[in-house]
Amino acid sequence: NAGVTQTPKFQVLKTGQSMTLQCAQDMNHNSMYWYRQDPGMGLRLIYYSASEGTTDKGEVPNGYNVSRLNKREFSLRLESAAPSQTSVYFCASSQEMNTEAFFGQGTRLTVV
Amino acid sequence: GENVEQHPSTLSVQEGDSAVIKCTYSDSASNYFPWYKQELGKGPQLIIDIRSNVGEKKDQRIAVTLNKTAKHFSLHITETQPEDSAVYFCAAGGNSGGYQKVTFGTGTKLQVIP
Repeated sequence: NAGVTQTPKFQVLKTGQSMTLQCAQDMNHNSMYWYRQDPGMGLRLIYYSASEGTTDKGEVPNGYNVSRLNKREFSLRLESAAPSQTSVYFCASSQEMNTEAFFGQGTRLTVV
Repeated sequence: GENVEQHPSTLSVQEGDSAVIKCTYSDSASNYFPWYKQELGKGPQLIIDIRSNVGEKKDQRIAVTLNKTAKHFSLHITETQPEDSAVYFCAAGGNSGGYQKVTFGTGTKLQVIP
């Protein structure tokens, strides 16, 4: 039982490049989330998926897109990376919205 | 939308002393208040949560109190140990603009000095 698995753990991108962060959970959770964590700013919600087949914007969605591929997988795509997207990204899942969230280990992304 | 403020941003205590972290929230519709602990290089992990129909909840050395009228909630850690050193986040969640999403505070870095 791995919980929430994110790949990759580290990534360096050049400005303008694109990439997809992958996330999978094996807890049969309905809800999944993508957060970014920046110093002094806590965790900010980028996008979430309350249930399979639905996605919604969070606080800071600009520059990102998501896909809920199936109940297990929720990916985050940066179409044209910018230095402002340098951050640590966390994927999380929960049984339902507003219940205990389980987080992955994070992806440290640097955009140069 | 919801706004969660958390204080202090850093906190140092001697081992065995108590630590208190305070949060305020803005949306009276919020009804779920979790606390997460994040150790270095790891994702946050839930340590305790409380819902708005309860004023206080305790789990061993950890307790959370909620004052809905004042929109305050606090985390209390008693008999602190070095392994309590971490960053702690409060959060508030509920129906805000039709979304039941959780908003996090900015975190408190707790250092327990042996």
